Amino acid sequence: DSGVTQTPKHLITATGQRVTLRCSPRSGDLSVYWYQQSLDQGLQFLIQYYNGEERAKGNILERFSAQQFPDLHSELNLSSLELGDSALYFCASSTRGDRANSPLHFGNGTRLTVT
Amino acid sequence: AQSVTQPDIHITVSEGASLELRCNYSYGATPYLFWYVQSPGQGLQLLLKYFSGDTLVQGIKGFEAEFKRSQSSFNLRKPSVHWSDAAEYFCAVGQGDTDKLIFGTGTRLQVFP
Repeated sequence: DSGVTQTPKHLITATGQRVTLRCSPRSGDLSVYWYQQSLDQGLQFLIQYYNGEERAKGNILERFSAQQFPDLHSELNLSSLELGDSALYFCASSTRGDRANSPLHFGNGTRLTVT
Repeated sequence: AQSVTQPDIHITVSEGASLELRCNYSYGATPYLFWYVQSPGQGLQLLLKYFSGDTLVQGIKGFEAEFKRSQSSFNLRKPSVHWSDAAEYFCAVGQGDTDKLIFGTGTRLQVFP
């Protein structure tokens, strides 16, 4: 158990809809990351938050947004969903957000299916 | 830009055989390198990491990896594979001033009895 909790585990929704994925980091971790894993794109970094502030941005679509709350949990919002958004979405956390030698701890992911 | 290449998409070995999974990276400075394992339906679990020092690093579950700067490689090895090692393995490189990781495309390991 990594200590990172993601909810829900599975989500099935229709095109055009909006969903929210939730992540609670490990106790004491200040940084949260979101990754998207799909068969054709592999593991793609979406966005990172550190202590409530956005720290790094990757290949995140404008239809997607995220935030980190004062209690350090994070939410990833996906809107105007398309079939191609179907993927496994992982959250990871780390102690810090500014050192590449701080390992990431991953949750078990949320599997999103868009029909 | 930093990148990670895992040339083997799928590897099949017999239980008890040795294993080597290849990883090549592209990074200008001294890299921070990681190997993660993903079992079906699970998240990624850290196997081992290299930051500096001894180029042969030991990880969990009997895995080790060797950093070779001259070859820009960080190959993962295990002397004797167990059926429970069947999973997908990801190599990743850390970037400078953030914890953001760039992942390779993964190698799926299948183990035959």
